[in-house]
Amino acid sequence: AQKVTQAQTEISVVEKEDVTLDCVYETRDTTYYLFWYKQPPSGELVFLIRRNSFDEQNEISGRYSWNFQKSTSSFNFTITASQVVDSAVYFCALSEAPRGTDKLIFGTGTRLQVFP
Amino acid sequence: EPEVTQTPSHQVTQMGQEVILRCVPISNHLYFYWYRQILGQKVEFLVSFYNNEISEKSEIFDDQFSVERPDGSNFTLKIRSTKLEDSAMYFCASSGQQGSYGYTFGSGTRLTVV
Repeated sequence: AQKVTQAQTEISVVEKEDVTLDCVYETRDTTYYLFWYKQPPSGELVFLIRRNSFDEQNEISGRYSWNFQKSTSSFNFTITASQVVDSAVYFCALSEAPRGTDKLIFGTGTRLQVFP
Repeated sequence: EPEVTQTPSHQVTQMGQEVILRCVPISNHLYFYWYRQILGQKVEFLVSFYNNEISEKSEIFDDQFSVERPDGSNFTLKIRSTKLEDSAMYFCASSGQQGSYGYTFGSGTRLTVV
């Protein structure tokens, strides 16, 4: 069965600290997609990244980086030099369809609070 | 940048009333979805829709729920007789055929049943 686990319910850091949000997934498929979404206090879901199961290269986008490790079924997200605007709930999600058009299975989310 | 539009942003309804939540997906997308998020909880899949029919639905999506694409642009979620536990944020999403950029979510409709 497909499942996404975000064990960290809430993380608090002080601005400029680095923070890593953990995501562990379960799937029986060899082809799947992993996502991260940000949900700020305003409530919308903001797409951050999509990664397919065949691409294990780490990715960096500005202060954001993602570490995908198939061996441990993890897709962790690191924010470098956190800022107050990073305060939000972050969701990791899994989709099993080859073309990424199937449903998303979300984790329970990690609430990140960045204090000035 | 194309976006998914949801209306209304907030709806309050009395228990037992019918509500229709509306969504305008991205025009060249082919796959449409509704998700639900009860306050403080995770986002849950309700239903997916492709080629004018439901392709998959979750156990949450019981006979009280229905979806429709009435005119080729709108995509609606109807709840026939609302219950208190239907209070949640409802997100519409659409996806292109190749899913190259994943799913695009609307900003949500917050439904409050009183």
